[in-house]
Amino acid sequence: DAGITQSPRHKVTETGTPVTLRCHQTENHRYMYWYRQDPGHGLRLIHYSYGVKDTDKGEVSDGYSVSRSKTEDFLLTLESATSSQTSVYFCATTGGLRNQPQHFGDGTRLSIL
Amino acid sequence: AQTVTQSQPEMSVQEAETVTLSCTYDTSESDYYLFWYKQPPSRQMILVIRQEAYKQQNATENRFSVNFQKAAKSFSLKISDSQLGDAAMYFCAYRSAGTGNQFYFGTGTSLTVIP
Repeated sequence: DAGITQSPRHKVTETGTPVTLRCHQTENHRYMYWYRQDPGHGLRLIHYSYGVKDTDKGEVSDGYSVSRSKTEDFLLTLESATSSQTSVYFCATTGGLRNQPQHFGDGTRLSIL
Repeated sequence: AQTVTQSQPEMSVQEAETVTLSCTYDTSESDYYLFWYKQPPSRQMILVIRQEAYKQQNATENRFSVNFQKAAKSFSLKISDSQLGDAAMYFCAYRSAGTGNQFYFGTGTSLTVIP
């Protein structure tokens, strides 16, 4: 959808290891977002970006950092993964017009043992 | 921050029947946009329908329509002639037309379609 690619699609790692998830878009959308999806919580915003090198925190940003060095790429890093960060992570993008919806990647299932 | 509430964690409907999923939101803004997304077991997030708050007419997309009640801050989704492929998690979302570019999501409603 809207040319959004997330990598990897699945990852299993151990507590304490660093993890980086990548989101790549081909739509030249200005805004990019990282969400986590957990049962009973819907989608919760981790971080978002409103331009290259411009990012801001969402409601569940603790333990996560992001970077956006190019319009098309938005990276999410877990500096030291914990079991509570086991989740499905979605990247989303949208353009500048307010009536535009978000377009989503296919998600990354991350398991931290 | 705006809040979006979906009070029905699970719903079921007989194939070919009609079902309505509820969504309410809390906002002090007068201009905003509302969306319904579908998430089938494949995990993809698919846009179903959108509604602009300034439009009084309810949006319709084929078998999907909304009942938008601005004063009540309600945005329900009606699925007519339900099909097996409609089985999914449905999320309601809010986007401000003013400050910020965040979207606010409800916790979702899981819809089962019974053959």
